[in-house]
Amino acid sequence: QKEVEQDPGPLSVPEGAIVSLNCTYSNSAFQYFMWYRQYSRKGPELLMYTYSSGNKEDGRFTAQVDKSSKYISLFIRDSQPSDSATYLCAMIYTGFQKLVFGTGTRLLVSP
Amino acid sequence: DTGVSQNPRHKITKRGQNVTFRCDPISEHNRLYWYRQTLGQGPEFLTYFQNEAQLEKSRLLSDRFSAERPKGSFSTLEIQRTEQGDSAMYLCASSSNRDRGNQPQHFGDGTRLSIL
Repeated sequence: QKEVEQDPGPLSVPEGAIVSLNCTYSNSAFQYFMWYRQYSRKGPELLMYTYSSGNKEDGRFTAQVDKSSKYISLFIRDSQPSDSATYLCAMIYTGFQKLVFGTGTRLLVSP
Repeated sequence: DTGVSQNPRHKITKRGQNVTFRCDPISEHNRLYWYRQTLGQGPEFLTYFQNEAQLEKSRLLSDRFSAERPKGSFSTLEIQRTEQGDSAMYLCASSSNRDRGNQPQHFGDGTRLSIL
């Protein structure tokens, strides 16, 4: 079993929809949680960075962490075709430097 | 902020050849990381430097792989005697250790290695 599980998709939505992307994990020692966006043939771009449980909002993006359920989410409001990309969740233990990634979810937003 | 720079962007080579990739981190970042990403998968950690010291290495980093960061600035990743299974995107990331906590890692656009 992988440490971080993520549905690979693809997830197809119409423009303007609210998108929900999720990851589950098995190790309760993870303390920092990140979402990256990756366009084809590009490197991952940091979208959200949160510590422990709770919500964080940045523009159209909201990240949620529920440590009791070992579940993290990324919500995208008013989705745009330019949001079409692969979304990677990642997490890290306090004091360590190795990021552990999910497989990524491919999102397609149609005009 | 010029971001993390990686060169070359794409490398095509024959099996058995040696290849070297370069990474220039964000200028004020003293931590540097290498990851490998294959199609349909998330990046996998290879190794990590704080300044010039290599502090952590993954089991994925076989003895054909070597990474250096001689002056604590840019880093190189060398693969000797390349194999088909080495075909992947090699990503570099950097972060600062401000406030002693975990700071977010920022990635470059990677070097895509294709083994013929």
